[in-house]
Amino acid sequence: EMQLVESGGGLVQPGGSLRLSCAASGFSFSGYWMSWVRQAPGKGLEWVANIKQDDSEKHYVDSVKGRFTISRDNAKSSLYLQMNSVRGDDTAVYYCARVSVVLMLYASTHQSLDFWGQGTLVTVSS
Amino acid sequence: DIQMTQSPSSLSASVGDRVTISCRASQIIGNYLNWYQQKPGKAPKLLIYAASTLQSGVPSRFSGGGSGTDFTLTISGLQPEDFATYYCQQSYITPSWTFGQGTKVEIK
Repeated sequence: EMQLVESGGGLVQPGGSLRLSCAASGFSFSGYWMSWVRQAPGKGLEWVANIKQDDSEKHYVDSVKGRFTISRDNAKSSLYLQMNSVRGDDTAVYYCARVSVVLMLYASTHQSLDFWGQGTLVTVSS
Repeated sequence: DIQMTQSPSSLSASVGDRVTISCRASQIIGNYLNWYQQKPGKAPKLLIYAASTLQSGVPSRFSGGGSGTDFTLTISGLQPEDFATYYCQQSYITPSWTFGQGTKVEIK
């Protein structure tokens, strides 16, 4: 059975740091791009960051660039999000998700988030 | 960034109804459009990718359509377990994906 289990959330003061983890099982973790997506309380979904299978590419939403770092350990089937200089608007449930890449007609590839963890809540407050 | 706008923001419907949710992109995105379902307190679930391809295991009452800038998600014969919030997401600009604001489907 496939599983993504996030941990590391909690209460952090503005300007502080937190490290989120996501433990994967039931699939070949090293074969997939992985993502972090967040959802502020009562709000919609926001993509945060992506990382390639071999760690050679990382991408971030503008609002977290220079503050957050995505990383992975394929030997441990784990994904991480290091959050530094956190702000109030970083308060959210953070989900890790697997990126599915499907080859379709005319050699087009379509990406989607086909499997998600249950999320971990990060609250930034003094 | 590509902006995704869903309409309506919420709707009320009865079991058995046919429901259609719209999603409009701020620029042409071909068929690079995904739909997700989210129930309260739960993680989102992928329903449809590439605008109209049903994810494995998703009931056939869900269907997606459209291309370019205008897309739809249709639920034919709403079931009690379908009351949830639905999000569209563009995957045209990879990996800077953006989601719509969500459409909440409530029981009438």
